[in-house]
Amino acid sequence: QVTLKESGPGILQPSQTLSLTCSFSGFSLSTYGMCVGWIRQSSGKGLEWLANIWWNDDKYYNPSLKNRLTISKDTSNNQAFLKITNMDTADTATYYCARGSSHWYFDFWGPGTMVTVSS
Amino acid sequence: DIQMTQSPASLSASLGETVTIECRASEDIYNGLAWYQQKPGKSPQLLIYNANSLHTGVPSRFSGSGSGTQYSLKINSLQSEDVASYFCQQYYDYPTFGGGTKLELK
Repeated sequence: QVTLKESGPGILQPSQTLSLTCSFSGFSLSTYGMCVGWIRQSSGKGLEWLANIWWNDDKYYNPSLKNRLTISKDTSNNQAFLKITNMDTADTATYYCARGSSHWYFDFWGPGTMVTVSS
Repeated sequence: DIQMTQSPASLSASLGETVTIECRASEDIYNGLAWYQQKPGKSPQLLIYNANSLHTGVPSRFSGSGSGTQYSLKINSLQSEDVASYFCQQYYDYPTFGGGTKLELK
C-alpha cells in the first residue's frame, strides 16, 4: 500500500525559506523508475508542478521557479524534501508530494499541507 | 511551456447522464496526458494515464481518448460519487495542468 504524507510549518513570513518533508511508504526511491514530485495548488493559479527527484538522484525543476527550489531525498528513511527560498504571499498554497513514474504522471498523492505566507 | 486549456470550467449533469470534459494542449503532446479527480478537501486521484489507460481500481465508466492536441475524459452513467473537480495534466514536456472542471449534480 503506497502512502505519502507532507509536513511543513503551516505559516511563515515573507522572505523566509519554506522547508517541506514528504514521508512515504509502500515503495522505495532506490527502485528504478521511481520519483517523488512536489505540486502545489492555490486558488489563484490552480495546480502547479514544482519539482521531481528520481531514483538515480536526477532532479528537475519548474523553470519559472528553478532559482528558488531545492529538492532532495533520504532514501534510507523514505523521505523527500523541498526547500523554497524567498517566500512571498503569492506562494500561499496547499503543497502536495506525489509518487511519479517514468512517464511523469502521479499515481499516488499525499493529503497535502497548507502553507500560509503572511506578515 | 505547454499550456493546457480545459473546458468547460463547470458542468451540471443528472445522475445516469454521460459527461465529457475536454482538454486542449498548445502543441502536440503525443498522448502524454493524465486525468485526475479531486473531491473537496482531498488530494487529486489519478484516473487515466497515457491518454486512455485506466488506473488500477478506477471504475470502467471513466474513459479517456484523444490524440495530438485534443483530449477528452468521458464519464458514463454519472454517479453521485463522481461529483468532484477534474484536471488534465500533460507530461510530454515538464508537467502542466489544465484549469479544472467542477462537476455538480443537476
